[in-house]
Amino acid sequence: DGGITQSPKYLFRKEGQNVTLSCEQNLNHDAMYWYRQDPGQGLRLIYYSQIVNDFQKGDIAEGYSVSREKKESFPLTVTSAQKNPTAFYLCASSIEGREGSRNQPQHFGDGTRLSIL
Amino acid sequence: DQQVKQNSPSLSVQEGRISILNCDYTNSMFDYFLWYKKYPAEGPTFLISISSIKDKNEDGRFTVFLNKSAKHLSLHIVPSQPGDSAVYFCAARNQGGKLIFGQGTELSVKP
Repeated sequence: DGGITQSPKYLFRKEGQNVTLSCEQNLNHDAMYWYRQDPGQGLRLIYYSQIVNDFQKGDIAEGYSVSREKKESFPLTVTSAQKNPTAFYLCASSIEGREGSRNQPQHFGDGTRLSIL
Repeated sequence: DQQVKQNSPSLSVQEGRISILNCDYTNSMFDYFLWYKKYPAEGPTFLISISSIKDKNEDGRFTVFLNKSAKHLSLHIVPSQPGDSAVYFCAARNQGGKLIFGQGTELSVKP
């Protein structure tokens, strides 16, 4: 079945440690996104990528880094510079970017919950 | 600056009745609007969307209405079912193509 796979589902990080969250999609989507959800808030965009080897900062990129070496994969690294990393992280993808695919929704994975030890 | 607002954090409805979830936005340049449904510990699932050139879109029990003059979006669920209990997010697409999400409304459908 086609979909978006995020792993792990739960992740614990020690202070000062970098951690990488995995996101893989087999939907052949061009665009991929990382969001963060905090209690009582909507999803906030961290980074997005519309094509391989290219990505842009979202609204809250500080303390995060990404790479897009393959179309299927868009890993997110939460660095030690991120002062408040405890949150629910969601990866999404969409066809967006191709001609004729303008109004297409983003599809989400099931998320990774990151907690600080 | 909250560009997309869902002012009701929660809503409780009796099974079989109509659920109406509301969303207000500030940017008249938003051109595409979406509703997502989210269960705890899962990712949001796309429900229904509407382009800014329309004022209504229907898909089974779900209808989205767009009032551009009021900058208001609503989702109607008729009839409501217990399985509809979830958090509902509205989202709007800006000129840069990014989605801006509301804070979510938790819907509870009582049997």
